[in-house]
Amino acid sequence: ETGVTQTPRHLVMGMTNKKSLKCEQHLGHNAMYWYKQSAKKPLELMFVYNFKEQTENNSVPSRFSPECPNSSHLFLHLHTLQPEDSALYLCASSQAPGRSGGAHTGELFFGEGSRLTVL
Amino acid sequence: DQQVKQNSPSLSVQEGRISILNCDYTNSMFDYFLWYKKYPAEGPTFLISISSIKDKNEDGRFTVFLNKSAKHLSLHIVPSQPGDSAVYFCAASRNTGNQFYFGTGTSLTVIP
Repeated sequence: ETGVTQTPRHLVMGMTNKKSLKCEQHLGHNAMYWYKQSAKKPLELMFVYNFKEQTENNSVPSRFSPECPNSSHLFLHLHTLQPEDSALYLCASSQAPGRSGGAHTGELFFGEGSRLTVL
Repeated sequence: DQQVKQNSPSLSVQEGRISILNCDYTNSMFDYFLWYKKYPAEGPTFLISISSIKDKNEDGRFTVFLNKSAKHLSLHIVPSQPGDSAVYFCAASRNTGNQFYFGTGTSLTVIP
């Protein structure tokens, strides 16, 4: 497989369920992201992992819990979600600046997204 | 507060004509700008980018123009083709960081 792959592509869950979204990148990148896309809103950055360390958490509710076990895999654990959390969740990767800093070397590569519906 | 804005939610263009998609930003620290294209049920795919040291970047039928003083960029597609029908997102970032800010997207329809 190539690029960024996300599973599942579609997920329907109740508010009391616990589920996880999975993302895997095969591009050798060192940064991975979770974005949320809701209707008529910009893509909202949720979490960023740089070299497996979380570097950004944009005030995301604790019912969303990310996990990055290595630079190729990223999870988003979901529990006690609300109907307004229904959205398309996009994973992305990029080659971010090294640990010593420097310019960003490329764009984001997105997966196809996981369409989440919370009942 | 939205730092990247695409004020036109939709645009329709005749096949063969030019499509112009616009984007405005508010943060003068942004120095790297990108356009993404998104088809239904797919993730966004990178189209073209421009660094703030340039005012134009061209790739085939796609050209991005940057006006730093106006904090405005535009994507020109010429000639437009039906396969270009998609949602186009503008994004901006600071070159030393890895946080990208996106607009709300413009849905382009190219009419055969």
